[in-house]
Formats: sequence, structure tokens, C-alpha cells
Amino acid sequence: GAGVSQSPRYKVAKRGQDVALRCDPISGHVSLFWYQQALGQGPEFLTYFQNEAQLDKSGLPSDRFFAERPEGSVSTLKIQRTQQEDSAVYLCASSLTGGNYGYTFGSGTRLTVV
Amino acid sequence: DAKTTQPTSMDCAEGRAANLPCNHSTISGNEYVYWYRQIHSQGPQYIIHGLKNNETNEMASLIITEDRKSSTLILPHATLRDTAVYYCIVRENFGNEKLTFGTGTRLTIIP
Repeated sequence: GAGVSQSPRYKVAKRGQDVALRCDPISGHVSLFWYQQALGQGPEFLTYFQNEAQLDKSGLPSDRFFAERPEGSVSTLKIQRTQQEDSAVYLCASSLTGGNYGYTFGSGTRLTVV
Repeated sequence: DAKTTQPTSMDCAEGRAANLPCNHSTISGNEYVYWYRQIHSQGPQYIIHGLKNNETNEMASLIITEDRKSSTLILPHATLRDTAVYYCIVRENFGNEKLTFGTGTRLTIIP
């Protein structure tokens, strides 16, 4: 497709369950970012990939959060033992280079932990 | 932390120009001003960016003051579809620099 695709669009998880969120960036885009957006707040940075290399994971809130991009295209954000405070929209963005002319964001995955 | 200050909310009449201010008094010489917007239930959308000169594209105009401590995003003829949260962000253009969002301005276009 022409845009960044994220799946699932919505996810409800029971507390303690593991979840995996998928991001399909625009084909050929080198840079990929994950953001977390709590209700009523702006997106907050989680992690950044350049091709398959994870260059910055300083925004991951705990060691329960793990991201990968093994072949430099599709990326997965995994959250282990989900907690209620993990409820948020998780956004993925990609760019051809470093985003100097803007990133393209997906519509996000809304995660609700009950 | 976000390095910008924006009003929490604004209204604008449909068909009029919407002028969204942003203060970035601590901006450094190599930081650009970026604007994104986020329509309900969608991801943020890039609008425009600039360093020190005014910029215009098909979506908007960006006016940056000479001292670069503030800027204004102008939507020349606002439509109902421009209702969104608008984020002003300062960022270096060194490739892998992440975006640091604040809480933005919620712009409501009034019919």
C-alpha cells in the first residue's frame, strides 16, 4: 500500500497477557519509529530503527517492551505481561531517510488492557 | 520535554484564515520548526517545516520571526476537515532525530 499499515487496529488484552503489534512501513523506507500516545496527550517516542538496526531504544518504558525489525522492513512491538498503564495508542512512523521532510505515520493500534 | 509552547485550543470560522502561534524561545541555531497535525483517530500528518525563512506549500504557510523565537502556522482558507490537534515541534535535521511532541493546539473549525 501507499501508506504505513499497522495491525491490529484495536487490541484488548487481559492484564498479564503478552501482545504483539505489527507495523508495515512504506516500501523502501529506511527509518522506522514507534511512539506511544496516551489519551489526551501527544505521542511519546519509544524506539528508532535504521534498517534492521535498533539505534535508539531510550523511550521504552520498561524491559517488558521489546521491538524488532529483523529484515529491515516490517517491525513488531512486543509488550510482555501487559499492565493497565500500557493502555494507549501505539503509532508507527517511517521515512525514506531521516525524516528531514517529514515522517509518515500509520493510524496506530489502540491497546486496551483490562 | 517539548521545547515549544502552544495555546491549548482555538476556534476559527470556516473559510477564514487560521493562525496558530508557537513559542520556541530556546531554539538553537541548527533546529528546524516542524508542524504536524492529528485528526481524530488518525496518526500525525506532516504539514510543513522551516529553518528561518518563511515557507509555503499546498497545505499551509509557516512564518518564522527574525529572532526565530516564535512562529505561526497559517491555514489560508480553513475547512471543517482542518479540525485537528496541531503540533509545533523543534528538531535538528541530523537524520535520526526523533520528534518530541507537546500537547499541541486543538483547532476547531466552526461552520
